[in-house]
Amino acid sequence: KAGVTQTPRYLIKTRGQQVTLSCSPISGHRSVSWYQQTPGQGLQFLFEYFSETQRNKGNFPGRFSGRQFSNSRSEMNVSTLELGDSALYLCASSPRTVPSTDTQYFGPGTRLTVL
Amino acid sequence: GENVEQHPSTLSVQEGDSAVIKCTYSDSASNYFPWYKQELGKRPQLIIDIRSNVGEKKDQRIAVTLNKTAKHFSLHITETQPEDSAVYFCAQANFGNEKLTFGTGTRLTIIP
Repeated sequence: KAGVTQTPRYLIKTRGQQVTLSCSPISGHRSVSWYQQTPGQGLQFLFEYFSETQRNKGNFPGRFSGRQFSNSRSEMNVSTLELGDSALYLCASSPRTVPSTDTQYFGPGTRLTVL
Repeated sequence: GENVEQHPSTLSVQEGDSAVIKCTYSDSASNYFPWYKQELGKRPQLIIDIRSNVGEKKDQRIAVTLNKTAKHFSLHITETQPEDSAVYFCAQANFGNEKLTFGTGTRLTIIP
């Protein structure tokens, strides 16, 4: 099976702009989670989508949002970009077929730079 | 809430020796503990995971131990090789929850 894919791989934006990142999960996986990775804060959970519904949300401002489509592909959007939003944004997919926590597989990430 | 502490932050080990990384967690509801390896510029890759109903799990040179009473779990790498050099992250999640809370990472360097 193909792994998790993310597009674009690199983005450069300026403060105040908005950005949309895309994630395609492993075929058959129904859950997509998003994480932000920065040198200072490490890996932090943004949100999880399952069956087109947000199931869980981390401690990020409302400028960060996401959605999931019927084919399980997911997008995340960041509005009114700030310098501090510069980070590697990773998505991870899991089958979500068991009641307990399922194994998550990460995509290569989108490197966002805000100038 | 969930919190994971990881030690050490850096670790240098002679090739062939063993490496041990330890994480402690605070949430009693934690029941899933994965370990990820991230090489420079690459995605985090799962190397091993353990659930709370198991005390130890091994996969070739890699093992993880879990002490639920003390709320800590450890990664053990034996017979280290240069390709083991990377940043290793521990994480935890509560039952049925896909939200992973990560430790701060350990940069492991294998000295040839």
